[in-house]
Amino acid sequence: QSALTQPASVSGSPGQSITISCTGTSSDVGSYNLVSWYQQHPGKAPKLIIYEGNKRPSGLSNRFSGSKSGNTASLTISGLQAEDEADYYCCSYALSSTFLFGGGTKVTVL
Amino acid sequence: EVQLVQSGAEVKKPGESLRISCKGSGYSFTTYWISWVRQMPGKGLEWMGRINPSDSYTNYSPSFQGHVTLSTDKSINSAYLQWASLRASDTAMYYCARPYYDTLTGYSYDAFDIWGQGTMVTVSS
Repeated sequence: QSALTQPASVSGSPGQSITISCTGTSSDVGSYNLVSWYQQHPGKAPKLIIYEGNKRPSGLSNRFSGSKSGNTASLTISGLQAEDEADYYCCSYALSSTFLFGGGTKVTVL
Repeated sequence: EVQLVQSGAEVKKPGESLRISCKGSGYSFTTYWISWVRQMPGKGLEWMGRINPSDSYTNYSPSFQGHVTLSTDKSINSAYLQWASLRASDTAMYYCARPYYDTLTGYSYDAFDIWGQGTMVTVSS
């Protein structure tokens, strides 16, 4: 099993929208609608922001949205804000009841 | 309040054994799997494995199978991650995590919502 592939960094100006991709294979992202996304600020535990590809946990901002096409999932952050500056990780359910994380993407708000 | 509270930071020597803990509270501990996630210094998240506290059934990542052991003690609502022989490369922050439960639908989902605060393990001679 290899980690899912994410861009190392993405940046945007306040108010803009950015999209982070997460590419896997037909054994993980492509086979299951079970991609989740996490936000992690320095020194903090990760926070769930998207589950089952495009669902938001209760109370989470609708500025975060998810989608999937084939073996690639995507996270879009709209109306970028300073507090969105963090590391973002995708995660997919995979074969043999395991999970795979992506390598992480550092989001910078310019 | 639903929470997972982990044991404190550890400093160990290569070859030593170690067990770290994760105690759940505020919910029925045996209802939800507990996963463990590694984060090496300055690096990304890696899923290590998970355990079902009700029957101790486990799934391991191939990357960690054979090097770590997951266990639980449901009498005290605790999950454990242990090593028989630590390596310097085990130096990392370790998190336990619980699946997301949606109170509106009444279902739990394969995504990690409740996280422990992390346990830093340092292995150095």
